[in-house]
Amino acid sequence: QVQLVESGGGLVKPGGSLRLSCAASGFTFSDYYMSWIRQAPGKGLEWVSYISSSGSIIFYTDSVKGRFTISRDNAKNSLFLQMNSLRAEDTAVYYCAKDYTVLDYWGQGTLVTVSS
Amino acid sequence: EIVLTQSPGTLSLSPGERVTLSCRASQSVSSSYLAWYQQKPGQAPRLLIYDASSRATGIPDRFSGSGSGTDFTLTISRLEPEDFAVYYCQQFGSSPRVTFGQGTKVEVK
Repeated sequence: QVQLVESGGGLVKPGGSLRLSCAASGFTFSDYYMSWIRQAPGKGLEWVSYISSSGSIIFYTDSVKGRFTISRDNAKNSLFLQMNSLRAEDTAVYYCAKDYTVLDYWGQGTLVTVSS
Repeated sequence: EIVLTQSPGTLSLSPGERVTLSCRASQSVSSSYLAWYQQKPGQAPRLLIYDASSRATGIPDRFSGSGSGTDFTLTISRLEPEDFAVYYCQQFGSSPRVTFGQGTKVEVK
């Protein structure tokens, strides 16, 4: 069965960096686009970024452009999100999800807290 | 930018009742790219409906989706205790590439 397991969240100071990982299994990872979505505490869902199966097509939401970088390692069935220049408003649970037009499987999420 | 507006914000209902949730887009959305998700407290969202009206794998047939253009609906024919949750609609299309509605909470009356 499809499994997505995020890791790498934690507490970081404003201006700091964090790298999230998502380990995928149960499907042919290299065949699918992958996405990151976040959810601030008590708030709704916000799409962050997606990457094509080969990594050649990438899109970001405006608020993270220039600060976040999505990448993938198809040999290791892994998705990444490098987050730099973190702000308080980046505090959220970050989910990785399979695909991009319809997000058919989600991980359990990893919490990122940006606070001094 | 396409904005999805869900209504109502909260619904207070009893098990067995019929539920109709609305998702209205600020511009026309391709039906192929309109989905609905369910999220329970402390859990990740779960895909319910894709292509506006197709049920995802394992989703009970009491859940149905309909609509086109700018108006979409999720219907739960008969509420079960496990259906009390927050429901989100989502579209893929123009920038921002993926957007979600703000959610509708279905709570126990």
